[in-house]
Amino acid sequence: QSALTQPASVSGSPGQSITISCTGTSSDVGGYNYVSWYQQHPGKAPKLMIYDVIKRPSGASDRFSGSKSGYTASLTISGLQAEDEADYYCSSYTSSSTWVFGGGTKLTVL
Amino acid sequence: EVQLVESGGGLVQPGGSLRLSCVASGFTFSSYWMHWVRQPPGKGPMWISRIYSDGTDTIYADSVKGRFTISRDNAKNTLFLQMNTLRAEDTAIYYCVRGFYYSSDYWGQGTLVTVSS
Repeated sequence: QSALTQPASVSGSPGQSITISCTGTSSDVGGYNYVSWYQQHPGKAPKLMIYDVIKRPSGASDRFSGSKSGYTASLTISGLQAEDEADYYCSSYTSSSTWVFGGGTKLTVL
Repeated sequence: EVQLVESGGGLVQPGGSLRLSCVASGFTFSSYWMHWVRQPPGKGPMWISRIYSDGTDTIYADSVKGRFTISRDNAKNTLFLQMNTLRAEDTAIYYCVRGFYYSSDYWGQGTLVTVSS
């Protein structure tokens, strides 16, 4: 199972919005509404921010939102804040009943 | 408060074995699927295994199939990962993760496994 494709890096200024893409295939992102997004700060474990493409778990900021079109899922962060600077990973359930992660995107808040 | 505490990591030679443990607290362990996810230094996470809440079904990533075994003891709120025939590419932080629908909502702090001679 190949990793999902994410841009290596994105950046934005405080207050702006950014979007991170996550591209897969018909066997994962395109085939199921089971895409999740995780935020990871250095030295910490990943934290769930979005699940089932668009749902936010309790405790996740409403500045984070998810969407999907075809084989590409997206994470949008609005009202960018310094604390949002982190690595972001997407993940999807697959047709093999396994899970696959993306390579990760480093978000820099300018 | 949900807590997942892994242990058992360390330095092991290629071809060797290790058994990781994860003690869960703060939730009804026997009601949840559990996963192991690993993250090589400086790289992204990689899912490696899932076990049903009652332990009746397991599944593995191709890269560890036949070498790793996931299991659980619901009476002791503990998840295990038996790792055999370890390779250098198995070097990573190993996380115990609680299943949440088709996602994962709580991660342990991780335990580092280093495979090197």
